[in-house]
Amino acid sequence: DTGVSQDPRHKITKRGQNVTFRCDPISEHNRLYWYRQTLGQGPEFLTYFQNEAQLEKSRLLSDRFSAERPKGSFSTLEIQRTEQGDSAMYLCASSAGGNQPQHFGDGTRLSIL
Amino acid sequence: AQTVTQSQPEMSVQEAETVTLSCTYDTSESNYYLFWYKQPPSRQMILVIRQEAYKQQNATENRFSVNFQKAAKSFSLKISDSQLGDTAMYFCAFMGDSNYQLIWGAGTKLIIKP
Repeated sequence: DTGVSQDPRHKITKRGQNVTFRCDPISEHNRLYWYRQTLGQGPEFLTYFQNEAQLEKSRLLSDRFSAERPKGSFSTLEIQRTEQGDSAMYLCASSAGGNQPQHFGDGTRLSIL
Repeated sequence: AQTVTQSQPEMSVQEAETVTLSCTYDTSESNYYLFWYKQPPSRQMILVIRQEAYKQQNATENRFSVNFQKAAKSFSLKISDSQLGDTAMYFCAFMGDSNYQLIWGAGTKLIIKP
């Protein structure tokens, strides 16, 4: 069991730049979730996929955010024209089904200068 | 909309003591799932325990057990014989059966003192 893998672990960028994060779920898991966690808070749901289909997006996910999961395997989360408020930990999780426990990766910490 | 409330921002106990973390939630759904996750400093979120709302029996996992009071919408976590490695942020989370996103509490920082 290799677990959920996220890359990079840390990303520092200047305001206005685009960034992309990658998540590799546990191989047999068909569901993949993205959350955002700011310091001292619980995570907030962003979006999730079942296989390659993006089934739900939070209102937190502005039009600067886009997520993909081609072929139902790994997923990418892109943020365009980054803003200071985008600074957070971005967490990816996967599960074997809708009501099954979600297993998390280490997260990608984004810092906007 | 579902909400999850953790009213204890921080707790500390001595090693080997028992500690209980509180969580309340609000929902109109009839079937749902409740979770406790642990997030050690700079480490990943780890599932501690899971409770299915239609099961009356409280879930247990070794030193971790829950007190699930469905009518009161309460879901507390008890850690027995606490260990230094239990030091972490603990998050209570809700998942409805109509969509499968997790709704999280703000967390409780638990410190186990030697």
